[in-house]
Amino acid sequence: DAKTTQPTSMDCAEGRAANLPCNHPTISGNEYVYWYRQIHSQGPQYIIHGLKNNETNEMASLIITEDRKSSTLILPHATLRDTAVYYCIVSSMEYGNKLVFGAGTILRVKS
Amino acid sequence: EAQVTQNPRYLITVTGKKLTVTCSQNMNHEYMSWYRQDPGLGLRQIYYSMNVEVTDKGDVPEGYKVSRKEKRNFPLILESPSPNQTSLYFCASRLAGAPNEQFFGPGTRLTVL
Repeated sequence: DAKTTQPTSMDCAEGRAANLPCNHPTISGNEYVYWYRQIHSQGPQYIIHGLKNNETNEMASLIITEDRKSSTLILPHATLRDTAVYYCIVSSMEYGNKLVFGAGTILRVKS
Repeated sequence: EAQVTQNPRYLITVTGKKLTVTCSQNMNHEYMSWYRQDPGLGLRQIYYSMNVEVTDKGDVPEGYKVSRKEKRNFPLILESPSPNQTSLYFCASRLAGAPNEQFFGPGTRLTVL
């Protein structure tokens, strides 16, 4: 079972920041938070991951609360091409760990 | 270019006719896996492989076989396909251990009549 809960869907205006929340109240100390997205039946695409510090890369920022029980993915300037299903996944460092995908959040970016 | 490739991308077949979906990666990744994606059920892992000659069942292995004779290839075999295996299939690979980005192939849409 997925260890995360996400809103079913969200809308965002083009050019604005998209903030996608995720709750993971039972996350363990050795588990990372990963974000992937899937654009219309294409293969899922890695976005970012983090353990406890906030992370930023060229695609997005990841904000993890101090108690690590929730996080927010931020797309700073959403474009129409960011319309996708966004998956928040919690996974451990153990060798062979797998990614368990939940239902994700459908993000619709509108012009 | 680092990538995971799958072939074929689309396949329509009939019940009972053996088929193989190939998967290849050019990143020297140890870990490879197969997922299927169905409406309302999300992505579910079928099989995974930690390295050459090491494979193990995922969450929905029934009706599937895999092999890992070479590090770069991880074919998915359906010995006797049935209509309930109609699905969208994804192969993925990554370096062993965590945290690591997992790369997915473009998908194979299989229809079993």
